[in-house]
Amino acid sequence: GENVEQHPSTLSVQEGDSAVIKCTYSDSASNYFPWYKQELGKRPQLIIDIRSNVGEKKDQRIAVTLNKTAKHFSLHITETQPEDSAVYFCAASINNDMRFGAGTRLTVKP
Amino acid sequence: KAGVTQTPRYLIKTRGQQVTLSCSPISGHRSVSWYQQTPGQGLQFLFEYFSETQRNKGNFPGRFSGRQFSNSRSEMNVSTLELGDSALYLCASARGLNEQYFGPGTRLTVT
Repeated sequence: GENVEQHPSTLSVQEGDSAVIKCTYSDSASNYFPWYKQELGKRPQLIIDIRSNVGEKKDQRIAVTLNKTAKHFSLHITETQPEDSAVYFCAASINNDMRFGAGTRLTVKP
Repeated sequence: KAGVTQTPRYLIKTRGQQVTLSCSPISGHRSVSWYQQTPGQGLQFLFEYFSETQRNKGNFPGRFSGRQFSNSRSEMNVSTLELGDSALYLCASARGLNEQYFGPGTRLTVT
């Protein structure tokens, strides 16, 4: 089955800096790659996603890149703010069979 | 539009008992997936239902089962509870393939 690895497990940045989280997947049939943000005590929230026929997608301060050949994808957050502090999960999916990475705890220091 | 809802929100059970959790998807969504979230194992996929049929299944023992009704509401059942089943159980709904939206979860504690 699909295996998703996520790095780093923790990330601390200063407010205004950029943050990058990387994931790799094992199953080349995976065709959908979402990113979720989970704040303490809350449900995971879909923040951005990318499909396998697209290499990059951007939404304001958040961008995701996908390299199908290398089977890795990354989340980029620019101009980080304290409210970006949360756990971020990447996932790889084949037709709604979705497998998650272990998560990255991002702390943005004011 | 109302979001995904789950009941109950909190549950305490004893080892050996069974439990049933419920999930109501976003209106118009026909896919419901279930996940187990624990500090040690992260978010793990249990199964996905679409149009009352289990379409995908994760690597959990047969004690974990589910079903989906004609109105797309879904239930999951865990029989013969073990201490290790203590977790946050999340369901997520999707209109078709891919974009999944999570409910608030049911916090299950097994004593």
